[in-house]
Amino acid sequence: GQNIDQPTEMTATEGAIVQINCTYQTSGFNGLFWYQQHAGEAPTFLSYNVLDGLEEKGRFSSFLSRSKGYSYLLLKELQMKDSASYLCAPRGPDKLIFGTGTRLQVFP
Amino acid sequence: KAGVTQTPRYLIKTRGQQVTLSCSPISGHRSVSWYQQTPGQGLQFLFEYFSETQRNKGNFPGRFSGRQFSNSRSEMNVSTLELGDSALYLCASSRSGSGANVLTFGAGSRLTVL
Repeated sequence: GQNIDQPTEMTATEGAIVQINCTYQTSGFNGLFWYQQHAGEAPTFLSYNVLDGLEEKGRFSSFLSRSKGYSYLLLKELQMKDSASYLCAPRGPDKLIFGTGTRLQVFP
Repeated sequence: KAGVTQTPRYLIKTRGQQVTLSCSPISGHRSVSWYQQTPGQGLQFLFEYFSETQRNKGNFPGRFSGRQFSNSRSEMNVSTLELGDSALYLCASSRSGSGANVLTFGAGSRLTVL
């Protein structure tokens, strides 16, 4: 079966660091994606993890622990434009399953 | 290169009608997936097509159907529309739809059922 849990909403201030957690139970796990979706727009790809550990890409990093069924997205030096929903999406054996997303609001 | 194109962007229908949505994938992408997005449920997987064959299907009733053409363009159809079908329908393409292949999403078709 598939089960994904991430916080519904988070707030942070400009310049700060925020960590968005995601726990999942996915049969036939085959990697995990993070997507960003601004209001009224399409989701866009942020990161992909298939092995345990941290993947860093500029201000954004993503971590995966396969044994714990846990991932997080770390956003550093927050900017106002980072206000968006962040979607955790583990891949099962045959499709990508999305969580309901975490809506992040960045305040000045 | 051109992104994923979905048409129409917005449409309004009444209960009982049917609707067809279109998706043109990125050139060279052979996999097309469809998702329904609603505020309460997030993105729900509808189906995936690869080389004109439905490869996977989500838990939606038979009123939801799709197809893919030889040029990889895809359509989805919803018959006998219900109020609960009001949603943003997103199409995403990728080279093969598996493993590390990144899904690239279109802007979506927003359907309102009255």
